[in-house]
Amino acid sequence: GAVVSQHPSRVICKSGTSVKIECRSLDFQATTMFWYRQFPKQSLMLMATSNEGSKATYEQGVEKDKFLINHASLTLSTLTVTSAHPEDSSFYICSASDVLQGFETQYFGPGTRLLVL
Amino acid sequence: DQQVKQNSPSLSVQEGRISILNCDYTNSMFDYFLWYKKYPAEGPTFLISISSIKDKNEDGRFTVFLNKSAKHLSLHIVPSQPGDSAVYFCAASANSGNTPLVFGKGTRLSVIA
Repeated sequence: GAVVSQHPSRVICKSGTSVKIECRSLDFQATTMFWYRQFPKQSLMLMATSNEGSKATYEQGVEKDKFLINHASLTLSTLTVTSAHPEDSSFYICSASDVLQGFETQYFGPGTRLLVL
Repeated sequence: DQQVKQNSPSLSVQEGRISILNCDYTNSMFDYFLWYKKYPAEGPTFLISISSIKDKNEDGRFTVFLNKSAKHLSLHIVPSQPGDSAVYFCAASANSGNTPLVFGKGTRLSVIA
């Protein structure tokens, strides 16, 4: 199946700093990428939909000024957590859509564990 | 309001037997359904999918069944192996997959040797 990478896999930062997470589709081009976060023992929560060359669409309750998303190319989307606080500590996962038998199928990256001290 | 429900938070199955994971949905606009497998601290891995025009899709040990009238789908794993132990998420999408996925809360499968 399609391969999606994320970098870094884990990051520890001080409160107030900004953290950038990269999501890349390695063997396909993705016009649409998605960003999720997952809290312990919970399901994935969609944060935003990232479209190449246009502004991201944020889900209700997700602060667009705090979680900056840039989708500059067909293979790269970035999520920047600005002025991170301890409550932003979470597992962030991206996905990218590729066409499988005529259907848009999401393939996920390995995730990024963020810990804000 | 949960549009995709996995009512069993956990399931234990003996190695070699069949594992059946269930999923129900409420939104009749969903036309594409996917199953993902997830280990802790890793991203979900795509397993198998089915479109609403089919009622069954098979890939190796994995088979997904869709009952549109009941708004129910299930994932069958046979024979179950210890390496199948993970959390399984059911997900649904509308418009041939062009809308964001809606996930269930997951079912933790434990395959006992």
